[in-house]
Amino acid sequence: SSELTQDPAVSVALGQTVRITCQGDGLRSYYASWYRQKPGQAPVLVIYDKNSRPSGIPDRFSGSRSGNTASLTITGAQAEDEADYYCNSRDSSGNHWVFGGGTKLTVL
Amino acid sequence: QVQLQQRGAGLLKPSETLSLTCGVYGGSFSDYSWSWIRQPPGKGLQWIGEINRGGRTNYSPSLGSRVTISADTSKSQFSLKLSSVTVADTAVYYCARLRSGYYHGFRFDWFDPWGQGTLVIVSS
Repeated sequence: SSELTQDPAVSVALGQTVRITCQGDGLRSYYASWYRQKPGQAPVLVIYDKNSRPSGIPDRFSGSRSGNTASLTITGAQAEDEADYYCNSRDSSGNHWVFGGGTKLTVL
Repeated sequence: QVQLQQRGAGLLKPSETLSLTCGVYGGSFSDYSWSWIRQPPGKGLQWIGEINRGGRTNYSPSLGSRVTISADTSKSQFSLKLSSVTVADTAVYYCARLRSGYYHGFRFDWFDPWGQGTLVIVSS
């Protein structure tokens, strides 16, 4: 089991906006980071901090937080955004890190 | 641009000890914390543990005493040992740099970059 809960699967039409959410008590005290993972590849950081993107990540990716829920929003989803997305934060103790179960994003 | 390069055995028998090493190239080793993360086939990511820049370790409670993470700063590398492996330890193992910061009183952490991953299969 994970202390961070994500929807297993989400779909979005090409060019539309999609929000992927992550819930957990730890998120009341810590910001989440988000990772994109394509088949057979290592995860790649897409969002960290309040809403920061590493270099090379398009600005259609954004992050937000409200209460115990963190969200990753893709505005104008592209075919290459189809992947598994994982959130990460500290657990409720603050001493360890946990990942959400992952959300499989399908771009239709 | 920091790059992480993993190496280690990919096939083990039950009860053996998993041993992986992650080399850090192109950046500072001593200024950061370093972690191991694994992913069983078809499943999600699981944080295994970290070693901070002071050499202090911190492990996932679910793996507890079976895990040992160590670092060799002279070689800019850190290692993972997982003892008494079982079939349930079959996974792709990743190393990653762990960074932390604060924003308006909220702490945040992130793992970047990641190693290429090593598939470790435990089978009799």
